[in-house]
Amino acid sequence: EVQLLESGGGLAQPGGSLRLSCAASGFTFGSFAMSWVRQVPGQGLQWVSSISGSGSRTYYADIARGRFTISRDNSRNTLSLQMNSLRGDDTAVYFCAKDDIGVVGDFFDQWGQGTLVSVSS
Amino acid sequence: SYDLTQPLSVSVALGETATITCGGNNIGGKNVHWYQQKPGQAPVLVIFRDTVRPSGIPQRFSGSNAGNTATLTISIAQAGDEADYYCQVWDTNTLIFGGGTRVTVL
Repeated sequence: EVQLLESGGGLAQPGGSLRLSCAASGFTFGSFAMSWVRQVPGQGLQWVSSISGSGSRTYYADIARGRFTISRDNSRNTLSLQMNSLRGDDTAVYFCAKDDIGVVGDFFDQWGQGTLVSVSS
Repeated sequence: SYDLTQPLSVSVALGETATITCGGNNIGGKNVHWYQQKPGQAPVLVIFRDTVRPSGIPQRFSGSNAGNTATLTISIAQAGDEADYYCQVWDTNTLIFGGGTRVTVL
C-alpha cells in the first residue's frame, strides 16, 4: 500500500524558514516523480513544485521560484521542500503527491494527508 | 499563462447526472485529469488522461475533452459524491489546477 506521510509543518515567522518532509513507502520511490501542492484553508489547490524520479529535473511555480527548494533522497525514500523567506500568504496545508511516472508532467495517483504551515508573527 | 475555468458550484438531484466543465484555450489538445476532494481529506484522482478511470472509481464517473472544454460527468449522483472537484493540466512546464467546483447533491 502506498503511503505518503508529510511532516515539518508548524508556525513560522514572516521571513523565516521551514523544511517539509514526505516519507514514502509502498512503492519504488526513485521510479516516480513527486510534487508539492498547497491549499489555503477554504480555497483551491495550488501547485508548488515537482521533481523527477532521479532528482535531476525540478520545476517550480512562480510563487515558489527563488524561495523554495524541492529535493529528494531516493536512498531514504524522502521528499523535501525547503521554504525560505516565508510570507503570510504561504500559510496553507502542504500536500506531497506521487506522480504516476518517473518524469514530471502527468497526474498524481496518490496524495499524502498534508501538513499545515502557518506564517505569522 | 494558461488558465482553467470551472464553475464555482453545481447542484444535482440524487440519482441524476452532474456535469462539471473545465474551460481552457484548446484544452482538447492537452491531457486533463480530475480530482475529488472531500472536506478535511486529501484529493483523490477520479479521471486521468481525459477519460480513464483509476481502479476503484465507480463507472458513474466519466470524462471527455474536446475543443476548449473538458467535462467530468457524474451519473446517478449519490450523496457520497458531494465534494470539490478540480481539473488539472500541464502547460509549458507548469502544472495548473482549475479553481474547483463544489458539487452539491440535493
